[in-house]
Amino acid sequence: AQSVTQPDIHITVSEGASLELRCNYSYGATPYLFWYVQSPGQGLQLLLKYFSGDTLVQGIKGFEAEFKRSQSSFNLRKPSVHWSDAAEYFCAVVASGNTPLVFGKGTRLSVIA
Amino acid sequence: DVKVTQSSRYLVKRTGEKVFLECVQDMDHENMFWYRQDPGLGLRLIYFSYDVKMKEKGDIPEGYSVSREKKERFSLILESASTNQTSMYLCASSDARSGNTIYFGEGSWLTVV
Repeated sequence: AQSVTQPDIHITVSEGASLELRCNYSYGATPYLFWYVQSPGQGLQLLLKYFSGDTLVQGIKGFEAEFKRSQSSFNLRKPSVHWSDAAEYFCAVVASGNTPLVFGKGTRLSVIA
Repeated sequence: DVKVTQSSRYLVKRTGEKVFLECVQDMDHENMFWYRQDPGLGLRLIYFSYDVKMKEKGDIPEGYSVSREKKERFSLILESASTNQTSMYLCASSDARSGNTIYFGEGSWLTVV
């Protein structure tokens, strides 16, 4: 069965600092990979996705993620964090075809001045 | 843009009441999903549907049922609400044409007292 691990429950960074959120998945083949962001009280918004091709994908709001097959990882990065990036971030994986997404438990990001 | 609309953002219901959570998507997506989100547990799949009048159990279907009479509408039903069903409920839809990217509604906060 597929699974997703986000090892960090909560991360605090200073505004302007760089950010990396970790995501590891367990799946036999290369799955489709996603990062979503959730602001308090809101639904989830898609940040970026990887299906195939270039392993470095660009998303919205200045985020990027890199797929590393050898490490079964899909870490999310941003070079300079803004206070508005404070939110919860979810990594998700799905096999090809009509199977539901499997989500990690999320990483809450706090941004301090 | 894909629009997934959950008709009720905030509900308060009494134990034992029958509760309907309605979800409508406007992109002619084939797939629809209901997730439940709780602190520390992430998103858990309750039910999903790949076609009209079709449903599949997710990871936590107990105490819930669903209805999909029309392609654009997917309803979650709590036959007899209990306090442990107090949660945030998220509806989502996807389609092969969108690369199976899942789009979420804003969420419905249900409190059972």
